[in-house]
Amino acid sequence: GEDVEQSLFLSVREGDSSVINCTYTDSSSTYLYWYKQEPGAGLQLLTYIFSNMDMKQDQRLTVLLNKKDKHLSLRIADTQTGDSAIYFCAETYAGGTSYGKLTFGQGTILTVHP
Amino acid sequence: GAGVSQSPSNKVTEKGKDVELRCDPISGHTALYWYRQSLGQGLEFLIYFQGNSAPDKSGLPSDRFSAERTGGSVSTLTIQRTQQEDSAVYLCASSPSPGNEQFFGPGTRLTVL
Repeated sequence: GEDVEQSLFLSVREGDSSVINCTYTDSSSTYLYWYKQEPGAGLQLLTYIFSNMDMKQDQRLTVLLNKKDKHLSLRIADTQTGDSAIYFCAETYAGGTSYGKLTFGQGTILTVHP
Repeated sequence: GAGVSQSPSNKVTEKGKDVELRCDPISGHTALYWYRQSLGQGLEFLIYFQGNSAPDKSGLPSDRFSAERTGGSVSTLTIQRTQQEDSAVYLCASSPSPGNEQFFGPGTRLTVL
């Protein structure tokens, strides 16, 4: 079955890089996503990567995908206090009757200290 | 333009009562998803609508839960005979088509006393 796992907590100092890790089990995953959730707010899509890619960079965000180990990471460069939030890894399979249905990890609470 | 909206933003109800949660997707989005976010279970898929196709109800936790989508637009999630374990934030998302980015609403926080 599908399973996505993340570490629950990460604490960094402002200006440092943050790396949030995720592992997944479904080898048929097509897209892998990173969502951000701020207190009291909905989910905001940060970035995504196709399963046939190894890396994607978008400004301060770098996503690395190791398909062999089914490991996904999100690196945030120059982390700011405004980056404090819960980060969710999610995967989906582009096929079947649940096309686009997201399976989420538990979320990683990122705390950025001044 | 307007994003996904959900109402009410908060709902407190007594155990055993029925509740209805509403989702207004982004205009023109054919795919609509309901998810539930709770402390014990994290974020779980509930149900998926795509156009006029039969919905995928595989994530609904019990037969007390049902949902409909009228006219391919607004969706209502109904929970009958609510239980305390139904307390959660219910999130709705819409997408221009399946597999594209899902845009999430702010959620409805349901508290069952």
